[in-house]
Amino acid sequence: EPEVTQTPSHQVTQMGQEVILRCVPISNHLYFYWYRQILGQKVEFLVSFYNNEISEKSEIFDDQFSVERPDGSNFTLKIRSTKLEDSAMYFCASRRTSGSPIDTQYFGPGTRLTVL
Amino acid sequence: GQNIDQPTEMTATEGAIVQINCTYQTSGFNGLFWYQQHAGEAPTFLSYNVLDGLEEKGRFSSFLSRSKGYSYLLLKELQMKDSASYLCAVWDTNAGKSTFGDGTTLTVKP
Repeated sequence: EPEVTQTPSHQVTQMGQEVILRCVPISNHLYFYWYRQILGQKVEFLVSFYNNEISEKSEIFDDQFSVERPDGSNFTLKIRSTKLEDSAMYFCASRRTSGSPIDTQYFGPGTRLTVL
Repeated sequence: GQNIDQPTEMTATEGAIVQINCTYQTSGFNGLFWYQQHAGEAPTFLSYNVLDGLEEKGRFSSFLSRSKGYSYLLLKELQMKDSASYLCAVWDTNAGKSTFGDGTTLTVKP
């Protein structure tokens, strides 16, 4: 069964450093998402991406964040200058279409980001 | 605004039935999803409801009342492996995203 994959599974970085989290969505999916979950808290929407551009973003997704689909398979989240409060699990998700809820979002296994 | 409420914690006994409630007040609604999440892992899809009524899927059932902004997830014949967080999420087509509740941590005891 096709699945969303993410790398790395765990990233440790120093405050102020740039990190890139990588995701490979399911191949025939058209909509891509990043969510994050701070330890012990709820899953929070960051950004959605379709047709090579951001379609929706949350207040969390400020100028420090950017997303890119550099080729036909990868979908990346870049944090330019990490802060301690960026420590969280980051989940990538993909979805075949947007109009019908029947096409559910499939989540990747997540990348645990630890900022020291 | 978006407001999704679930109980924080529930405890039940192996073999029993448990119902996890979710109420929502959201600016857009096109469907409600339930996910299961074990600690340190990604949410995994359990069920969705678009129309009012009960959807059954093995040991899991989910119910929706759109007029009441209410859903529940029913788990039957509980097993120890069902100990996890259960996340209620509202899908908004216009916003193009899911909004998650805080999740309900279910502990199944022998």
